[in-house]
Amino acid sequence: DTAVSQTPKYLVTQMGNDKSIKCEQNLGHDTMYWYKQDSKKFLKIMFSYNNKELIINETVPNRFSPKSPDKAHLNLHINSLELGDSAVYFCASSQVGGTGVTGELFFGEGSRLTVL
Amino acid sequence: AQSVAQPEDQVNVAEGNPLTVKCTYSVSGNPYLFWYVQYPNRGLQFLLKYITGDNLVKGSYGFEAEFNKSQTSFHLKKPSALVSDSALYFCAVRDGYGSGNTGKLIFGQGTTLQVKP
Repeated sequence: DTAVSQTPKYLVTQMGNDKSIKCEQNLGHDTMYWYKQDSKKFLKIMFSYNNKELIINETVPNRFSPKSPDKAHLNLHINSLELGDSAVYFCASSQVGGTGVTGELFFGEGSRLTVL
Repeated sequence: AQSVAQPEDQVNVAEGNPLTVKCTYSVSGNPYLFWYVQYPNRGLQFLLKYITGDNLVKGSYGFEAEFNKSQTSFHLKKPSALVSDSALYFCAVRDGYGSGNTGKLIFGQGTTLQVKP
Protein backbone atom coordinates (compact mmCIF):
# COMPACT_ATOMS: atom_id res chain seq x y z
CA ASP A 1 0.00 0.00 0.00
CA THR A 2 1.73 3.17 -1.23
CA ALA A 3 2.32 5.74 1.52
CA VAL A 4 2.54 8.85 -0.70
CA SER A 5 1.10 8.52 -4.18
CA GLN A 6 1.15 11.05 -7.00
CA THR A 7 -0.67 11.10 -10.32
CA PRO A 8 0.15 11.29 -13.10
CA LYS A 9 3.70 9.95 -13.17
CA TYR A 10 4.36 11.51 -16.57
CA LEU A 11 2.89 14.63 -18.16
CA VAL A 12 3.77 15.86 -21.65
CA THR A 13 2.03 19.02 -22.76
CA GLN A 14 2.31 22.11 -24.91
CA MET A 15 3.32 25.58 -23.77
CA GLY A 16 0.36 27.64 -22.62
CA ASN A 17 -1.69 24.68 -21.40
CA ASP A 18 -2.94 24.18 -17.84
CA LYS A 19 -2.22 20.97 -15.92
CA SER A 20 -2.73 19.49 -12.47
CA ILE A 21 -0.85 16.97 -10.36
CA LYS A 22 -2.54 15.17 -7.48
CA CYS A 23 -1.05 13.75 -4.31
CA GLU A 24 -2.44 11.61 -1.53
CA GLN A 25 -0.84 10.28 1.66
CA ASN A 26 -2.18 7.50 3.87
CA LEU A 27 0.32 7.97 6.71
CA GLY A 28 -1.95 10.19 8.81
CA HIS A 29 0.57 13.04 8.64
CA ASP A 30 -0.48 16.63 9.27
CA THR A 31 1.82 18.33 6.76
CA MET A 32 2.36 17.96 3.02
CA TYR A 33 4.86 19.54 0.65
CA TRP A 34 5.60 20.15 -3.01
CA TYR A 35 9.24 20.07 -4.08
CA LYS A 36 10.61 20.75 -7.55
CA GLN A 37 13.63 18.86 -8.87
CA ASP A 38 15.25 20.54 -11.85
CA SER A 39 17.40 19.05 -14.62
CA LYS A 40 20.50 19.34 -12.42
CA LYS A 41 18.72 17.33 -9.70
CA PHE A 42 18.49 20.27 -7.29
CA LEU A 43 15.55 19.97 -4.93
CA LYS A 44 13.68 23.09 -3.93
CA ILE A 45 10.64 23.51 -1.71
CA MET A 46 7.68 25.20 -3.33
CA PHE A 47 4.72 24.93 -0.98
CA SER A 48 3.62 23.30 2.24
CA TYR A 49 0.27 22.81 3.93
CA ASN A 50 -0.30 21.94 7.57
CA ASN A 51 -3.81 20.68 8.29
CA LYS A 52 -5.12 22.37 5.12
CA GLU A 53 -3.44 25.70 5.95
CA LEU A 54 -0.75 27.08 3.63
CA ILE A 55 2.42 27.53 5.70
CA ILE A 56 5.14 27.73 3.08
CA ASN A 57 4.86 29.66 -0.15
CA GLU A 58 8.32 30.10 -1.59
CA THR A 59 9.12 32.44 -4.46
CA VAL A 60 7.12 30.63 -7.09
CA PRO A 61 5.26 32.23 -10.03
CA ASN A 62 1.58 32.70 -9.25
CA ARG A 63 0.79 30.45 -12.20
CA PHE A 64 1.38 27.69 -9.64
CA SER A 65 -1.52 27.21 -7.25
CA PRO A 66 -1.60 24.50 -4.60
CA LYS A 67 -4.80 23.28 -2.99
CA SER A 68 -5.33 21.02 -0.01
CA PRO A 69 -8.93 19.83 0.33
CA ASP A 70 -8.03 17.83 3.45
CA LYS A 71 -4.85 16.92 5.26
CA ALA A 72 -4.40 13.72 3.25
CA HIS A 73 -4.49 15.43 -0.16
CA LEU A 74 -2.43 18.11 -1.82
CA ASN A 75 -2.83 19.13 -5.45
CA LEU A 76 -0.79 21.40 -7.67
CA HIS A 77 -2.33 23.29 -10.56
CA ILE A 78 -0.14 25.05 -13.09
CA ASN A 79 -1.56 27.63 -15.51
CA SER A 80 -0.06 28.80 -18.79
CA LEU A 81 2.79 26.31 -18.76
CA GLU A 82 6.22 27.51 -19.87
CA LEU A 83 9.27 25.60 -21.09
CA GLY A 84 11.07 26.34 -17.81
CA ASP A 85 8.38 24.51 -15.85
CA SER A 86 9.73 21.21 -17.15
CA ALA A 87 10.93 19.33 -14.08
CA VAL A 88 10.06 16.51 -11.72
CA TYR A 89 7.59 17.54 -9.03
CA PHE A 90 7.67 15.60 -5.77
CA CYS A 91 5.00 15.47 -3.15
CA ALA A 92 6.04 14.64 0.42
CA SER A 93 4.47 14.39 3.84
CA SER A 94 5.60 14.47 7.45
CA GLN A 95 4.24 14.73 10.97
CA VAL A 96 5.16 18.14 12.36
CA GLY A 97 2.83 18.65 15.31
CA GLY A 98 1.77 16.64 18.33
CA THR A 99 3.20 13.28 19.31
CA GLY A 100 4.94 10.92 16.96
CA VAL A 101 7.08 13.61 15.37
CA THR A 102 10.04 11.96 13.66
CA GLY A 103 11.26 14.70 11.33
CA GLU A 104 11.77 12.79 8.12
CA LEU A 105 9.74 13.45 5.03
CA PHE A 106 8.17 10.64 3.02
CA PHE A 107 8.23 11.23 -0.72
CA GLY A 108 6.07 10.16 -3.60
CA GLU A 109 7.57 8.74 -6.80
CA GLY A 110 7.44 12.08 -8.59
CA SER A 111 5.57 13.52 -11.56
CA ARG A 112 7.77 14.27 -14.55
CA LEU A 113 6.41 17.29 -16.43
CA THR A 114 7.68 17.99 -19.94
CA VAL A 115 6.57 21.19 -21.62
CA LEU A 116 7.08 21.31 -25.39
CA ALA B 1 19.56 30.21 7.58
CA GLN B 2 20.16 26.48 7.69
CA SER B 3 22.12 24.89 4.87
CA VAL B 4 24.00 21.75 3.89
CA ALA B 5 26.74 21.28 1.34
CA GLN B 6 27.88 18.17 -0.46
CA PRO B 7 31.32 18.98 -1.82
CA GLU B 8 31.54 16.08 -4.29
CA ASP B 9 29.37 15.79 -7.39
CA GLN B 10 30.41 12.18 -7.82
CA VAL B 11 32.09 9.48 -5.77
CA ASN B 12 33.53 6.37 -7.42
CA VAL B 13 34.32 3.26 -5.45
CA ALA B 14 35.01 -0.39 -6.24
CA GLU B 15 32.57 -3.01 -5.04
CA GLY B 16 33.57 -4.37 -1.64
CA ASN B 17 35.48 -1.23 -0.66
CA PRO B 18 34.28 1.18 2.01
CA LEU B 19 32.47 4.29 0.82
CA THR B 20 32.06 7.79 2.21
CA VAL B 21 29.74 10.50 0.89
CA LYS B 22 30.48 13.85 2.48
CA CYS B 23 28.11 16.43 3.92
CA THR B 24 28.77 19.59 5.94
CA TYR B 25 26.12 21.71 7.57
CA SER B 26 25.53 25.23 8.78
CA VAL B 27 22.76 25.75 11.34
CA SER B 28 21.81 27.96 14.21
CA GLY B 29 20.99 25.70 17.11
CA ASN B 30 21.06 21.92 17.20
CA PRO B 31 20.93 20.30 13.77
CA TYR B 32 18.40 17.72 12.63
CA LEU B 33 20.21 15.97 9.78
CA PHE B 34 19.05 13.41 7.23
CA TRP B 35 20.31 11.27 4.37
CA TYR B 36 18.16 10.21 1.44
CA VAL B 37 18.84 8.06 -1.62
CA GLN B 38 17.28 8.48 -5.06
CA TYR B 39 17.42 5.71 -7.65
CA PRO B 40 16.82 6.65 -11.32
CA ASN B 41 13.23 7.72 -12.02
CA ARG B 42 12.22 7.11 -8.41
CA GLY B 43 11.34 9.22 -5.40
CA LEU B 44 13.62 9.93 -2.46
CA GLN B 45 13.97 7.18 0.11
CA PHE B 46 14.87 7.95 3.69
CA LEU B 47 18.10 6.28 4.87
CA LEU B 48 18.83 7.67 8.33
CA LYS B 49 18.72 10.72 10.57
CA TYR B 50 20.52 12.37 13.46
CA ILE B 51 18.41 14.20 16.01
CA THR B 52 20.30 13.72 19.24
CA GLY B 53 22.27 11.07 21.09
CA ASP B 54 24.94 8.77 19.73
CA ASN B 55 27.09 10.38 17.04
CA LEU B 56 27.11 7.20 14.95
CA VAL B 57 23.72 6.63 13.42
CA LYS B 58 22.77 3.38 11.70
CA GLY B 59 20.24 3.29 8.90
CA SER B 60 18.80 1.24 6.08
CA TYR B 61 20.73 -1.04 3.67
CA GLY B 62 23.82 -1.14 5.91
CA PHE B 63 24.47 2.61 5.75
CA GLU B 64 25.59 4.65 8.73
CA ALA B 65 26.52 8.27 9.28
CA GLU B 66 28.79 10.00 11.73
CA PHE B 67 27.75 13.31 13.25
CA ASN B 68 30.76 15.50 14.05
CA LYS B 69 29.85 18.73 15.79
CA SER B 70 33.35 20.25 15.79
CA GLN B 71 33.72 19.72 12.04
CA THR B 72 30.02 20.42 11.34
CA SER B 73 29.89 17.28 9.24
CA PHE B 74 27.51 14.38 8.77
CA HIS B 75 29.23 11.97 6.38
CA LEU B 76 27.45 8.90 5.06
CA LYS B 77 29.41 5.65 5.21
CA LYS B 78 29.18 1.99 4.38
CA PRO B 79 31.87 -0.59 5.17
CA SER B 80 31.49 -2.57 1.94
CA ALA B 81 29.90 -1.04 -1.17
CA LEU B 82 27.58 -2.94 -3.50
CA VAL B 83 26.97 -2.22 -7.19
CA SER B 84 23.30 -1.81 -6.25
CA ASP B 85 24.25 1.15 -4.00
CA SER B 86 24.89 3.20 -7.14
CA ALA B 87 22.43 6.10 -6.93
CA LEU B 88 22.08 9.79 -6.09
CA TYR B 89 22.47 10.65 -2.40
CA PHE B 90 21.13 13.75 -0.68
CA CYS B 91 22.01 15.21 2.67
CA ALA B 92 19.34 17.42 4.25
CA VAL B 93 18.77 19.60 7.31
CA ARG B 94 15.51 20.57 8.92
CA ASP B 95 14.76 24.26 8.68
CA GLY B 96 13.37 25.68 11.87
CA TYR B 97 12.62 24.38 15.35
CA GLY B 98 10.04 24.70 18.05
CA SER B 99 6.73 26.44 17.45
CA GLY B 100 7.89 27.98 14.17
CA ASN B 101 8.88 24.65 12.68
CA THR B 102 7.30 23.81 9.33
CA GLY B 103 9.11 20.49 9.02
CA LYS B 104 10.66 21.68 5.77
CA LEU B 105 13.94 20.02 4.77
CA ILE B 106 16.67 21.87 2.92
CA PHE B 107 18.66 19.60 0.64
CA GLY B 108 22.24 19.57 -0.51
CA GLN B 109 23.03 19.46 -4.19
CA GLY B 110 23.35 15.68 -4.26
CA THR B 111 26.25 13.29 -4.81
CA THR B 112 26.18 10.54 -7.41
CA LEU B 113 27.67 7.34 -6.09
CA GLN B 114 29.08 4.98 -8.70
CA VAL B 115 30.09 1.52 -7.47
CA LYS B 116 32.02 -0.49 -10.04
CA PRO B 117 32.24 -4.30 -10.05
